[in-house]
Amino acid sequence: EPEVTQTPSHQVTQMGQEVILRCVPISNHLYFYWYRQILGQKVEFLVSFYNNEISEKSEIFDDQFSVERPDGSNFTLKIRSTKLEDSAMYFCASSVMSNNEQFFGPGTRLTVL
Amino acid sequence: QKEVEQNSGPLSVPEGAIASLNCTYSDRGSQSFFWYRQYSGKSPELIMFIYSNGDKEDGRFTAQLNKASQYVSLLIRDSQPSDSATYLCAVTPSGGSYIPTFGRGTSLIVHP
Repeated sequence: EPEVTQTPSHQVTQMGQEVILRCVPISNHLYFYWYRQILGQKVEFLVSFYNNEISEKSEIFDDQFSVERPDGSNFTLKIRSTKLEDSAMYFCASSVMSNNEQFFGPGTRLTVL
Repeated sequence: QKEVEQNSGPLSVPEGAIASLNCTYSDRGSQSFFWYRQYSGKSPELIMFIYSNGDKEDGRFTAQLNKASQYVSLLIRDSQPSDSATYLCAVTPSGGSYIPTFGRGTSLIVHP
């Protein structure tokens, strides 16, 4: 069964450093998403992406964040200058269409020291 | 602010019993309703979705939607210890966005 994959599974970085989190969505899906979940808290939406552009973003997704689809398979989330409060699980998800159910990848645990 | 509320639990049920998980939402025009299961340290896994009032059954799982009362529930029949997890309710809003708002989740413990 096709699934969303994410790398790395765990990323440790120093405050102020840039990180790139990578995702490979399910191949026939057109909509891609990033969410984060701080330990013990809700899953929070960051951004959605369709047709090579951002379709929606939340208040969390400020200028420190960017997304890109550099090739036909990868979907990346970049955090330019990490802060301690960016420590969280970051989940990538994809869906066939915008109003279809979303399937989540296994997540990347980001730890900012 | 569109809210999705769940009792954090834990809800503890014996093996073989029916577990009932509830979720209320504030946006009366909400369109789609999802239940995800999340094991500790893992990602959300879609269990069921429901769009229309009434019941929808899939194996041991039944989702129930009551738009007039703004609640959605998940019943798990013949609960197994492997069902022990946090169950997340997610609701898409009115107004054209299909981005779901997640509840905090209810922790379910099924004891042998």
